[in-house]
Amino acid sequence: DQQVKQNSPSLSVQEGRISILNCDYTNSMFDYFLWYKKYPAEGPTFLISISSIKDKNEDGRFTVFLNKSAKHLSLHIVPSQPGDSAVYFCAATPPTNAGKSTFGDGTTLTVKP
Amino acid sequence: DSGVTQTPKHLITATGQRVTLRCSPRSGDLSVYWYQQSLDQGLQFLIQYYNGEERAKGNILERFSAQQFPDLHSELNLSSLELGDSALYFCASSRRDGRTDTQYFGPGTRLTVL
Repeated sequence: DQQVKQNSPSLSVQEGRISILNCDYTNSMFDYFLWYKKYPAEGPTFLISISSIKDKNEDGRFTVFLNKSAKHLSLHIVPSQPGDSAVYFCAATPPTNAGKSTFGDGTTLTVKP
Repeated sequence: DSGVTQTPKHLITATGQRVTLRCSPRSGDLSVYWYQQSLDQGLQFLIQYYNGEERAKGNILERFSAQQFPDLHSELNLSSLELGDSALYFCASSRRDGRTDTQYFGPGTRLTVL
């Protein structure tokens, strides 16, 4: 039973446009959510996070939206740049167990010049 | 460069063997996490250590074990290896053990079991 799902394995967008990456979760106990970016041959890099007490968190070109009732979060990248091309993972964490995040399978974003 | 180092980068071994993966956290980080990423899948949390003590455990197989040493480096031991253990193994570190602490990932060790 996959508790965190990224239903789109890949996404292709034009440079300058918006990229929207989606993530759904099933465990209502999750209350802290993260997005990571991963380039080939490197480890994931933390991008942005959101707590369940918020519905939006913004950091520069990156915004994460959380819809608790739908158990859905999304990452918006505006404007998209070719350097954003990477695999994006969402992760969810329950209130206990400090580092025990559950990851989705990732979405490969390609931003075309 | 995240500051987290993992050795070796690649490891090829045979079924039934035992291997040890090593991780050095960022300077000052007290927590170390281990993850497994099988082909085209997400990261599976294996285990977390904080200042030498086990803090959280995921679906880590009994054939796998880990420890964190006094100098805070960590080792992940994989024994009786099976073909399905072939994967990327990532180590991450964070300053403390809180779940809002940013985890910094190493480049990973690619294990191939033949």
